Amino acid sequence: DVKVTQSSRYLVKRTGEKVFLECVQDMDHENMFWYRQDPGLGLRLIYFSYDVKMKEKGDIPEGYSVSREKKERFSLILESASTNQTSMYLCASGGTVGGEKLFFGSGTQLSVL
Amino acid sequence: AQSVTQPDIHITVSEGASLELRCNYSYGATPYLFWYVQSPGQGLQLLLKYFSGDTLVQGIKGFEAEFKRSQSSFNLRKPSVHWSDAAEYFCAVGARSGGYQKVTFGTGTKLQVIP
Repeated sequence: DVKVTQSSRYLVKRTGEKVFLECVQDMDHENMFWYRQDPGLGLRLIYFSYDVKMKEKGDIPEGYSVSREKKERFSLILESASTNQTSMYLCASGGTVGGEKLFFGSGTQLSVL
Repeated sequence: AQSVTQPDIHITVSEGASLELRCNYSYGATPYLFWYVQSPGQGLQLLLKYFSGDTLVQGIKGFEAEFKRSQSSFNLRKPSVHWSDAAEYFCAVGARSGGYQKVTFGTGTKLQVIP
């Protein structure tokens, strides 16, 4: 079975801290995604990556950056966390062919105080 | 830019009744279309997907969806709902550009099933 592993299930940080969310997949997928999920807003795409060191902005990239130094790992970085970044963060991976389903991690619930 | 609209935030149906969840998409070409389900405290699970071919697609758990290009819709249906279907349902559109695929989700529809 494909595994997408997010490093933390729950995370509490202070305003202004730099936050790293890590995601690792074991299926050699080219595409990886970071979404945030908020009640009533669904899943919103923050960033995605289609190859090592390649990244594209999603619909809400402001306040975030990403890193993909290795194919299996995709990191989301909050340079200076703010309270409005309190959310559930979901990582996903998928193949390149198109139309392939995404495999999701179990999510990281981030609280910024 | 692609987008997905799920006009119903919350739907309540009786167990055994039929179900239809609405999804409208916006994309210039033929998109990949998906329905995912998220049960309480669980991750997202793919119910079904469409790219080409028969416009009526069958999925898991007895769900089906119909692609209607003229209406830019991809509505999800089930003839008889079970209590275990209570969950949040997300429609998604995937657009392929060059070597990558961008997948955009709707805001979700929360389904409540009453006895």
